[in-house]
Amino acid sequence: AQTVTQSQPEMSVQEAETVTLSCTYDTSENNYYLFWYKQPPSRQMILVIRQEAYKQQNATENRFSVNFQKAAKSFSLKISDSQLGDTAMYFCAFMIPSSGYALNFGKGTSLLVTP
Amino acid sequence: DAGVIQSPRHEVTEMGQEVTLRCKPISGHDYLFWYRQTMMRGLELLIYFNNNVPIDDSGMPEDRFSAKMPNASFSTLKIQPSEPRDSAVYFCASSFRTGATVQFFGPGTRLTVL
Repeated sequence: AQTVTQSQPEMSVQEAETVTLSCTYDTSENNYYLFWYKQPPSRQMILVIRQEAYKQQNATENRFSVNFQKAAKSFSLKISDSQLGDTAMYFCAFMIPSSGYALNFGKGTSLLVTP
Repeated sequence: DAGVIQSPRHEVTEMGQEVTLRCKPISGHDYLFWYRQTMMRGLELLIYFNNNVPIDDSGMPEDRFSAKMPNASFSTLKIQPSEPRDSAVYFCASSFRTGATVQFFGPGTRLTVL
């Protein structure tokens, strides 16, 4: 089975601080894509960052970056300079093209940014 | 572009009634996905289409659920008859070409079956 595990159901961070959300996955495939999506209270699913498994360089999007460890099957999200608007559920997901293009999601981490 | 459009945003119905959820994908996108989000099961794929053709419907819970995509700009997800355990948020998402690119999600439909 191809699974995604987010071991931290809830996290809290103070404004302007840095926080790291963990994600591990399990697949025997070599070609896949990894994603972090954000779901604020509005429930809209918003893409935060994407990583192609064949790329060794970690993806970065402004204050958001990932630590992709392919051998360890780990894909953590680092949020720098946290802002109140970062408060949301964060979902890790991956897609394996050879198995179809659906996203497999983790259970999510609820992040609260406090003043 | 307006993004993925879903309607209605909220639906409250009684058990046994037919429910139809609607989705308009982003223009030019050729993949369309239906996901369901519940507290118990999280986000799970129900079905997806490529060029209006259903490719994988293995996630459709049972025969009470059906989905169609009559053209490139419209899809429906129908539940008949509805049951309380169908209460969830239903998301539609679309993506372009290979499908390995980003999926853009609609705002979701919150369905409550009493």
